[in-house]
Amino acid sequence: NAGVTQTPKFRVLKTGQSMTLLCAQDMNHEYMYWYRQDPGMGLRLIHYSVGEGTTAKGEVPDGYNVSRLKKQNFLLGLESAAPSQTSVYFCASTSYGGEKLFFGSGTQLSVL
Amino acid sequence: GQQLNQSPQSMFIQEGEDVSMNCTSSSIFNTWLWYKQDPGEGPVLLIALYKAGELTSNGRLTAQFGITRKDSFLNISASIPSDVGIYFCAGQLGAQKLVFGQGTRLTINP
Repeated sequence: NAGVTQTPKFRVLKTGQSMTLLCAQDMNHEYMYWYRQDPGMGLRLIHYSVGEGTTAKGEVPDGYNVSRLKKQNFLLGLESAAPSQTSVYFCASTSYGGEKLFFGSGTQLSVL
Repeated sequence: GQQLNQSPQSMFIQEGEDVSMNCTSSSIFNTWLWYKQDPGEGPVLLIALYKAGELTSNGRLTAQFGITRKDSFLNISASIPSDVGIYFCAGQLGAQKLVFGQGTRLTINP
C-alpha cells in the first residue's frame, strides 16, 4: 500500500511565484489535512477537508488555498509565495475524526 | 490558539538508558496521542490515550493520560538506536481538532 503520497518532495520558489502541492491517499479516507512544520513550532494545521468537495480553515490558513475535487486527492496552493512560507509541509488523512492520522513523507519548500 | 508545552525540547542519552518526556496544556483534552517522526519522514502514531488516568504500553513505550486531562507522559525503556527521532504529543479537542506539541528531539549515543 502506498498510503499517503506527496509530490513534489522538494521545491525552491522565488518570492511571488505560485505552486501546487499534491497529496494522494489510497486508503479511502474521508478526512484529509495539510500541516506545516517549522523548527520549535511543532505541526500547525493549515486547512483540512472532511469529504470530497469540502474544505475548512485551520490554525494558519493565510496565503494558502486548497481543493478536494476527488476524495483521494487534496491540493494545497500557494498563489504568491513569501519567504515566511519556507517550511516542511505534511499531508495527512484518516477515516476517523482527526485522531489516528496517517502522514505523507513531506514536501520541503524554500522560498527565496 | 491552543498551546501544548512539550519538554524537554531535546535529549541526548546513552543507548540503554530510559527516557521520559511530558506534555502539558492549559486546556482539557478528550484524547492524548504520541507520534514519532523519523528523519525525512512524516509522523507515525505510537500510542493513543482515551481516558484520564489511562496507562498504555506499546513494547518499550509507555504513555499515561494525566488525571487532570491537561497533561500526558511518555516513557521509553532501555533505549536503542532506532528510537532516535522527534516525538510529538498531540491533544484532541474534538473532530478535526488535533493540537501538536513542539516536539522532543531524541539523540542516542551508542
